[in-house]
Amino acid sequence: AQKITQTQPGMFVQEKEAVTLDCTYDTSDQSYGLFWYKQPSSGEMIFLIYQGSYDEQNATEGRYSLNFQKARKSANLVISASQLGDSAMYFCAMREGLTGASKIIFGSGTRLSIRP
Amino acid sequence: GAVVSQHPSRVICKSGTSVKIECRSLDFQATTMFWYRQFPKQSLMLMATSNEGSKATYEQGVEKDKFLINHASLTLSTLTVTSAHPEDSSFYICSAREGGQSSQETQYFGPGTRLLVL
Repeated sequence: AQKITQTQPGMFVQEKEAVTLDCTYDTSDQSYGLFWYKQPSSGEMIFLIYQGSYDEQNATEGRYSLNFQKARKSANLVISASQLGDSAMYFCAMREGLTGASKIIFGSGTRLSIRP
Repeated sequence: GAVVSQHPSRVICKSGTSVKIECRSLDFQATTMFWYRQFPKQSLMLMATSNEGSKATYEQGVEKDKFLINHASLTLSTLTVTSAHPEDSSFYICSAREGGQSSQETQYFGPGTRLLVL
């Protein structure tokens, strides 16, 4: 069975600093996908970044990058130059298999608060 | 990106009544839709996977007869909470997967529906 662990229930970061949100996962599959989603107080789930298990390079999307360490089964999200609008819940998620037909399972989330 | 809508965004109902929540993919055909439930300050818990034209696949512990899912078309899935009780009060979120087998495709989430059962 797959499992996603986010060990940081909450984090406070000064504006403009970089922040790393931790995520570890457990799966017996060789093929899987890892996601990060942002959920502001409005509740909508905003897709941030995706990493496939066979991708050799770490995924990057603007200020977001995913530090993928396959041997350690970790997929940390790095946000560079944090902004006040980054304050939100962040969820790490995993999909076993590489097609969208498989379900996505979410971690418990990290609440990120950016201080001005 | 693709857009998924949900209706209603908020609903308050009396205990014992049934509530229907709609999930629509607005600019793409969704062969698969997923229904999640989120309690305050908790993560999203998958309730069921809905495939167009077939019965939904429910996660362990989710009552099929209480949470009725219908995926009658490629753009619409509905979740009906039957005989709702206060413990069913929650945030219900759907997501939709576009057809195809792209390895990098993601699911697009709706804005969610807040259900309060009095």
